[in-house]
Amino acid sequence: NAGVTQTPKFQVLKTGQSMTLQCAQDMNHEYMSWYRQDPGMGLRLIHYSVGAGITDQGEVPNGYNVSRSTTEDFPLRLLSAAPSQTSVYFCASSQSGGWSTDTQYFGPGTRLTVL
Amino acid sequence: GNSVTQMEGPVTLSEEAFLTINCTYTATGYPSLFWYVQYPGEGLQLLLKATKADDKGSNKGFEATYRKETTSFHLEKGSVQVSDSAVYFCALNAGGTSYGKLTFGQGTILTVHP
Repeated sequence: NAGVTQTPKFQVLKTGQSMTLQCAQDMNHEYMSWYRQDPGMGLRLIHYSVGAGITDQGEVPNGYNVSRSTTEDFPLRLLSAAPSQTSVYFCASSQSGGWSTDTQYFGPGTRLTVL
Repeated sequence: GNSVTQMEGPVTLSEEAFLTINCTYTATGYPSLFWYVQYPGEGLQLLLKATKADDKGSNKGFEATYRKETTSFHLEKGSVQVSDSAVYFCALNAGGTSYGKLTFGQGTILTVHP
C-alpha cells in the first residue's frame, strides 16, 4: 500500500493563479480531509468528506473548493491564489466517517508559496 | 468551542534526558485525545491515543494519560534519543457529529542532542 499520496510536493504560484492539489489513498478509507499547517498555529481543517459525493466545510474553507467523485481521490482547488494561502497542505484519511477514535493517516504534504 | 493548548517550545534536551510536553484541552462531551509526531520533511503520524478518561496511551517509550479532572494529556518519555527529534502535536476529536475532525495544538519542536 502506498497509503496517502499528495502531488505536487512543492509549488510556487503567482497571485490570482489557480491550481489543484492532488490527494489519493489506496486504503479504501471513507473519510478524507485537508488541513493547512502554518507556523505557531498547528493544523487547521479546510474541508472534509465522509464518503464519495459528500463534502463539507471545516474551520478555514474560504478560497478553497473540493469534490469527491471517487473513494480514492480528494483534490483541493485554489480558484484564485492569494499570498495568505502560502502554507503547507496535508491530506488525511481514516477508515470510517463517523468514529472519533479513528486514526488519521496523513500524506507527506504540499508546500505552496503564493507570490 | 474546542481547543488544545501545548507548552511553548522549542524544547532542547540531551540524549537520555526525561521529556514532558504539556497538553491541555477544552471540549464539550467526551473527546478522544491524540499525540501525532512529524519528523523532518514528512507528514504527521499517530504516536499514541486515548479514547476515554484514565486511559493511558503508549508507543515507542512514549506515554500519555487522559486526565479528565485536569483536562490534560501530557506526553512523557523516560529517556529520549536523537531520533526523537521532531515536532509533536496534541490533538482532540470531540466526538458526536465531529466525524474525523481533529483540533490541533500549535505543535512543540523537540531537538535532542547527543
